Amino acid sequence: GNSVTQMEGPVTLSEEAFLTINCTYTATGYPSLFWYVQYPGEGLQLLLKATKADDKGSNKGFEATYRKETTSFHLEKGSVQVSDSAVYFCALSFNQAGTALIFGKGTTLSVSS
Amino acid sequence: DAGVIQSPRHEVTEMGQEVTLRCKPISGHNSLFWYRQTMMRGLELLIYFNNNVPIDDSGMPEDRFSAKMPNASFSTLKIQPSEPRDSAVYFCASTEAVTDTQYFGPGTRLTVL
Repeated sequence: GNSVTQMEGPVTLSEEAFLTINCTYTATGYPSLFWYVQYPGEGLQLLLKATKADDKGSNKGFEATYRKETTSFHLEKGSVQVSDSAVYFCALSFNQAGTALIFGKGTTLSVSS
Repeated sequence: DAGVIQSPRHEVTEMGQEVTLRCKPISGHNSLFWYRQTMMRGLELLIYFNNNVPIDDSGMPEDRFSAKMPNASFSTLKIQPSEPRDSAVYFCASTEAVTDTQYFGPGTRLTVL
């Protein structure tokens, strides 16, 4: 079946450190891939997405590249800030309107100054 | 745009009581999703609708849970009778017809005593 696997957290970093959160997926067909972020006490927000192989999604200094050969969509940021502390979810869906997202379990990131 | 609106934001009730959670999707969006988030189980899809019609309710935990979408601008998730293990944050999300990006509401934190 279709699934998403994320690295387990929590991930604890100092401000300005480099961030990588690993995400791999299993899917039949060609899904779209997403990273959502959940700040404390809030709902999930779309951070970035990629809809086909080799696409790079980027937003707020975060990047992720859709790697079909390794079925991966790792999230990276060159220099994290305290305000990036949140839970990050990798997800996939298929390119059909109104289809459900399949989420990973989430990775908690804690950044200290 | 007001975004997805959920009410109430917090609900505390006693075991056995009926609970109704409400969601107003973004205007023009025709797919709506209900999720439940707990520490133990993470983010779970409960049910989703396309054009007000339930498409997949396989995530609804048991018959005590029911969801309706009487029109394009309103949906409810009802738990009757409620139990302490239903305590969680319940999220509603919506998406428009031509994209698979979901927009989440702020969630309802339910506590069943």
